[in-house]
Amino acid sequence: DTGVSQNPRHKITKRGQNVTFRCDPISEHNRLYWYRQTLGQGPEFLTYFQNEAQLEKSRLLSDRFSAERPKGSFSTLEIQRTEQGDSAMYLCASSAGSMNTEAFFGQGTRLTVV
Amino acid sequence: GEDVEQSLFLSVREGDSSVINCTYTDSSSTYLYWYKQEPGAGLQLLTYIFSNMDMKQDQRLTVLLNKKDKHLSLRIADTQTGDSAIYFCAVAMDSSYKLIFGSGTRLLVRP
Repeated sequence: DTGVSQNPRHKITKRGQNVTFRCDPISEHNRLYWYRQTLGQGPEFLTYFQNEAQLEKSRLLSDRFSAERPKGSFSTLEIQRTEQGDSAMYLCASSAGSMNTEAFFGQGTRLTVV
Repeated sequence: GEDVEQSLFLSVREGDSSVINCTYTDSSSTYLYWYKQEPGAGLQLLTYIFSNMDMKQDQRLTVLLNKKDKHLSLRIADTQTGDSAIYFCAVAMDSSYKLIFGSGTRLLVRP
């Protein structure tokens, strides 16, 4: 297993455009998390899935953000009408869930909104 | 909500021990973690400790937990230049195990 994979690694977009990021978790990890990290800060929780069910969303996740995990495997995070304040590193993590509490992170997608 | 605090910066000489400290506010935190982040990279899980433990040792890493003071520390023995990175303390909340992170401590190891 190659670990958690995120694509693209970098994305530059113009303000107002929509962007979509993909996360492929470690095989058979049923929990998947999205975090956002801005410069000089620790990651902040955005949302998480157990299998295909989105169980929690942070207040940080405005209605321009939507996340899906349609078959309980990979997940996508879409940002509509991007704003400069959306510029950040978007990190995905997965864990086996249940009593296994180790969460493994991908390399992240760095978004720059110009 | 939960708040996790860390000092911003630590500089040590190669071969010395490093101690990175973290405090948190919510005593119901179940698991407490240390992650390492190198420039432009994701987070690497180093170690974690369950809240009913006082100490955990894993090779060069020792985690100490003082639950009464809500204080967590990470000691790195024989620090090497490759240990230079940002270290994040994180606590897991409730059954979701979502993580609340501190702002990170930048460790600089001088030759």
